Amino acid sequence: GAGVSQSPSNKVTEKGKDVELRCDPISGHTALYWYRQSLGQGLEFLIYFQGNSAPDKSGLPSDRFSAERTGGSVSTLTIQRTQQEDSAVYLCASSLAASGRGQETQYFGPGTRLLVL
Amino acid sequence: KQEVTQIPAALSVPEGENLVLNCSFTDSAIYNLQWFRQDPGKGLTSLLLIQSSQREQTSGRLNASLDKSSGRSTLYIAASQPGDSATYLCAVVGRNYQLIWGAGTKLIIKP
Repeated sequence: GAGVSQSPSNKVTEKGKDVELRCDPISGHTALYWYRQSLGQGLEFLIYFQGNSAPDKSGLPSDRFSAERTGGSVSTLTIQRTQQEDSAVYLCASSLAASGRGQETQYFGPGTRLLVL
Repeated sequence: KQEVTQIPAALSVPEGENLVLNCSFTDSAIYNLQWFRQDPGKGLTSLLLIQSSQREQTSGRLNASLDKSSGRSTLYIAASQPGDSATYLCAVVGRNYQLIWGAGTKLIIKP
């Protein structure tokens, strides 16, 4: 596609339920990143993938959060047993590569707005 | 630990004025610095990327500078327009290629 797409655009769930967020990166982009932006706070790095592997999971806030990427393309971010503090906009970005130079522009999707009641 | 600060937090200026947004970072060991804009209800749009070896980048009415030694970057917007109203975010690429973000400057251009 022309840009990074994310689905769903909005998700309302009940506390304790599991949710899955999906990201479709730009075709040919090997690096994929997940961030979240909580209300009134800045953007927070969660995890990044180079191909299908995740060299850096340090940003995942708890073991309820996990992410995978298959086929070097689509990625899913899963939040188990959601809590109200998980409410945020979850943003996905992709770049041609992380490349070891860290000099690739990241292109962002529109985000998934998650509300945990 | 890298910290990114943006000043001012908010700025309101009349249309047509030139303006400068500031970004500072504490660790000069960066790979690059990027400026983004964020519009309400929309995703982030990359504006300019300055590689660590560069001092500035220009795109249309936008010019971004980078001074690694002093840990500063500025985003200059010439001849501002109402459509420039948005939140402008500065981010540096540090270890593991993750972006470390500033809190943003909310810019309002008054017609």
